[in-house]
Amino acid sequence: AQTIHQWPVAEIKAVGSPLSLGCTIKGKSSPNLYWYWQATGGTLQQLFYSITVGQVESVVQLNLSASRPKDDQFILSTEKLLLSHSGFYLCAWGQGASDYTFGSGTRLLVI
Amino acid sequence: TQTVSQSDAHVTVFEGDSVELRCNYSYGGSIYLSWYIQHHGHGLQFLLKYYSGNPVVQGVNGFEAEFSKSDSSFHLRKASVHWSDSAVYFCAVSAYGSSGNKLIFGIGTLLSVKP
Repeated sequence: AQTIHQWPVAEIKAVGSPLSLGCTIKGKSSPNLYWYWQATGGTLQQLFYSITVGQVESVVQLNLSASRPKDDQFILSTEKLLLSHSGFYLCAWGQGASDYTFGSGTRLLVI
Repeated sequence: TQTVSQSDAHVTVFEGDSVELRCNYSYGGSIYLSWYIQHHGHGLQFLLKYYSGNPVVQGVNGFEAEFSKSDSSFHLRKASVHWSDSAVYFCAVSAYGSSGNKLIFGIGTLLSVKP
């Protein structure tokens, strides 16, 4: 069975500090991977997607970057956090164009 | 460009009632339609999807949804809700494009089930 694990579960960070969020998928080879961001009480905004190792496409510009260093790993990062980065970050994998499987998310508060 | 519209931000029903959560979409090509549920503070869980065939699709926990091409809709229904169904429900549309898969979500409908 496939599992998706996100870390950390939650973070409180200062404005201007760096950030790194991780996502690991087990039990699935060459998955399509996605990062989504959800403002408190809001909908989900797709940030990045990756179809293969070393390849990442940006969907929206939020002063964030993503990398896929391994087939089963997807990293979201920034060197300088903004207040607007606060929210809920979700990683997902999908095969085809439907029924994505989401991780449990990372809640980020920037102060 | 695909868009998803969920006209009800908040729906309140009593336990045992039936409920319908509305979703309308716009897109000119072949798409997948799906519903996800998000309990407070958690990630999303897939409920059901439609691509072709029988327009009524069954999902987990007694949920079903009906696709209507003429109305551009994909409403979610449940005949008898339980308090544990209280959550935010997201309708989503996806289409495979040259730039990769993209799953677009509606704004979500908060379902509150009162005892």
